[in-house]
Amino acid sequence: AQSVAQPEDQVNVAEGNPLTVKCTYSVSGNPYLFWYVQYPNRGLQFLLKYITGDNLVKGSYGFEAEFNKSQTSFHLKKPSALVSDSALYFCAVFTSGTYKYIFGTGTRLKVLA
Amino acid sequence: DGGITQSPKYLFRKEGQNVTLSCEQNLNHDAMYWYRQDPGQGLRLIYYSQIVNDFQKGDIAEGYSVSREKKESFPLTVTSAQKNPTAFYLCASSILGHEEKLFFGSGTQLSVL
Repeated sequence: AQSVAQPEDQVNVAEGNPLTVKCTYSVSGNPYLFWYVQYPNRGLQFLLKYITGDNLVKGSYGFEAEFNKSQTSFHLKKPSALVSDSALYFCAVFTSGTYKYIFGTGTRLKVLA
Repeated sequence: DGGITQSPKYLFRKEGQNVTLSCEQNLNHDAMYWYRQDPGQGLRLIYYSQIVNDFQKGDIAEGYSVSREKKESFPLTVTSAQKNPTAFYLCASSILGHEEKLFFGSGTQLSVL
């Protein structure tokens, strides 16, 4: 079965420090991986995606993600966190053949001033 | 402005009542999706549609119904058979294809009176 895991319910980081939000996946075939962000009472917004190619993917708002095939991970990173980055972050995988997107349970990021 | 519009923003359901959530998109996307969001459970797929007059059940379709009579519209009905309907409902759309990101509406919060 294809799945996505986000092992941390919440991540706290001080403003200015680097942040990492973890994601691991299980898929058959090539993984198509995405990160989305959700602010309170809003829909999700796309941050970045990995389809193929360079393992380091750059996205919106200074975020990037590192694809690691051997560890089946796709961790979201940012070199210097901002208080405004505080939100709920979702990792997702697209399942080819059924055109379904499977989401992780989400990680709440709290950046402390 | 192109995008996805969900209405209403808040909805209350009485016991035994069916309610319909609206989702309209003007992005000319073929695929549309309905997700349910509960705290700590991430997004779970209810129904999805890749083409007009066709749709497939997602992981939690019981107690819900949809229609796709027009490309731009994908309404979701929460029937009285759904015993625990209180949740945040998100509609999304995308171009068909594994590289394509989802565009989300701003959601409908459904509560039971």
